[in-house]
Amino acid sequence: GEQVEQRPPHLSVREGDSAIIICTYTDSATAYFSWYKQEAGAGLQLLMSVLSNVDRKEEQGLTVLLNKKDKRLSLNLTAAHPGDSAVYFCAAPSYGGSGNKLIFGTGTLLSVKP
Amino acid sequence: EAAVTQSPRNKVAVTGGKVTLSCNQTNNHNNMYWYRQDTGHGLRLIHYSYGAGSTEKGDIPDGYKASRPSQENFSLILELATPSQTSVYFCASRIANTEVFFGKGTRLTVV
Repeated sequence: GEQVEQRPPHLSVREGDSAIIICTYTDSATAYFSWYKQEAGAGLQLLMSVLSNVDRKEEQGLTVLLNKKDKRLSLNLTAAHPGDSAVYFCAAPSYGGSGNKLIFGTGTLLSVKP
Repeated sequence: EAAVTQSPRNKVAVTGGKVTLSCNQTNNHNNMYWYRQDTGHGLRLIHYSYGAGSTEKGDIPDGYKASRPSQENFSLILELATPSQTSVYFCASRIANTEVFFGKGTRLTVV
């Protein structure tokens, strides 16, 4: 089944800088990927999903790049602001073994300082 | 927007006691999931379900049972709670291979 690795575990940037989070995956058959944001004490909020036939997707200051050759997915927060401070997770579905489920990366704690 | 409601939001239980965490979704989603979240581990799948009457083991099912009596409800049951089950639990739902929607989580402390 799918395995997902995420880095870095912690990321600190200044307001206005960009922040990049990277996930690598193992299953080349994965159909789509998702990024989630979790603010302190809250649940997971879906930020963006991309299908595997998409190389790049941009929405509201977020850019997701998918490099299928290297099996790498990245989330770029352009011009980060303090409200972006949260834990970010990538996720990919796994269809092998015990069935259809989502596999999450271990998360990146992003701190955006004014 | 799809909504997933968990109850209770916070729970303190004694070791050896029985705990039931409830999840309700009115989105008519087939698939429902229970995850736990611990520092250093991210989210790990405990049990999931394809629909009413179905429960499947996830990656860390030991010590947990699940029940899906209806399309809307999916419960996680700890028959004999242990301190190692202190965690934050998230329920989620989705239909087929689409976006997953999460509840706000249940913080469980076993003392």
